[in-house]
Amino acid sequence: DVKVTQSSRYLVKRTGEKVFLECVQDMDHENMFWYRQDPGLGLRLIYFSYDVKMKEKGDIPEGYSVSREKKERFSLILESASTNQTSMYLCASSWDNYGYTFGSGTRLTVV
Amino acid sequence: DQQVKQNSPSLSVQEGRISILNCDYTNSMFDYFLWYKKYPAEGPTFLISISSIKDKNEDGRFTVFLNKSAKHLSLHIVPSQPGDSAVYFCAASWGANFGNEKLTFGTGTRLTIIP
Repeated sequence: DVKVTQSSRYLVKRTGEKVFLECVQDMDHENMFWYRQDPGLGLRLIYFSYDVKMKEKGDIPEGYSVSREKKERFSLILESASTNQTSMYLCASSWDNYGYTFGSGTRLTVV
Repeated sequence: DQQVKQNSPSLSVQEGRISILNCDYTNSMFDYFLWYKKYPAEGPTFLISISSIKDKNEDGRFTVFLNKSAKHLSLHIVPSQPGDSAVYFCAASWGANFGNEKLTFGTGTRLTIIP
């Protein structure tokens, strides 16, 4: 069964901390994505990557960066966490846009 | 600028009846549309999709209708079952044939099936 694994289900971090959210897929997919889900706003794209070492900004990249050193791993980095980054973070991978496979999500709370 | 909109944040339907979830979009370039279903504490899962060359696609109890002139799509679930209670997101994309893999998601509709 294909899988996208997010390393943490729940995280609590302090304002100003550097936060790493990890995502690993075992499907040899080229494309990987980071979204955040907020009530009333749906899923919004933060960053995505079509290949190793390649990254592109999504709709809301401010305050975030990403790293893709290996094909299977896509990391989201909050350089200095703020309370408005409290959210559910979802990683996804795909080989085309006809179907993303999502991870279970990481609920991040910044206090 | 919300390019994909789901104007009903929530919907309650009696078990066994039809559930109709609606989605509107503004970008006329969109040529592929998908519906995802999300349970709490899980990631969204793909449900059904439709290409802009079609106006209907059916898969078991789920049917998606596309009205390109109105920039509107809908998901019909018949008959509705308690396990259908979830948040439903519509999503859209364009240019997949040219390597554009991004999906733009709507805001979601929480469907509750009443036993």
